[in-house]
Amino acid sequence: AQRVTQPEKLLSVFKGAPVELKCNYSYSGSPELFWYVQYSRQRLQLLLRHISRESIKGFTADLNKGETSFHLKKPFAQEEDSAMYYCALSEGGGGNKLTFGTGTQLKVEL
Amino acid sequence: NAGVTQTPKFQVLKTGQSMTLQCAQDMNHEYMSWYRQDPGMGLRLIHYSVGAGITDQGEVPNGYNVSRSTTEDFPLRLLSAAPSQTSVYFCASSYGGQGPTNEKLFFGSGTQLSVL
Repeated sequence: AQRVTQPEKLLSVFKGAPVELKCNYSYSGSPELFWYVQYSRQRLQLLLRHISRESIKGFTADLNKGETSFHLKKPFAQEEDSAMYYCALSEGGGGNKLTFGTGTQLKVEL
Repeated sequence: NAGVTQTPKFQVLKTGQSMTLQCAQDMNHEYMSWYRQDPGMGLRLIHYSVGAGITDQGEVPNGYNVSRSTTEDFPLRLLSAAPSQTSVYFCASSYGGQGPTNEKLFFGSGTQLSVL
């Protein structure tokens, strides 16, 4: 069965410092991976997906099949990046049925 | 556009009571799903539906029932509430199928349920 691991419950960084939120997965097929974000008092929303190879709000994530990782990175953290971040994996055939990681709370300090 | 609407926002139940969490979406999405969010466990899929009249179980379906009589609505029923069902419940929807537009999940604002 597929599994998504986010080893850090809480990540605290200073404003302007680089950010890396770790995500590792196990899946026997060809994975589709996503990052979802939940800002305070807002709904969970899609941040980015690996297949799009896009940068959203300065965040990027590269799928590394050799290391089975999909780490989320941003070179310079901003205060508004503080949120809960979830890595998620799709079984395939679309990103509708997701397996989520346990989430990492990112706190950006001034 | 309301998007995905969940009611109620908060609910307290006694053990053994039954209730229905409502979820409605106005985006004509084929796919709808229910997740529960527990501390340290992330979001876990309870049930999902790929279209009206079609439902299937997710990772943690026990104690919950669903039905999908219309495209818009996907209610989650707790048959006999237990303290282990204390959680935050999220409904989500998407167009379904593959592709960058189809795969994006839209979430409701959540229902915080406490079972005493």
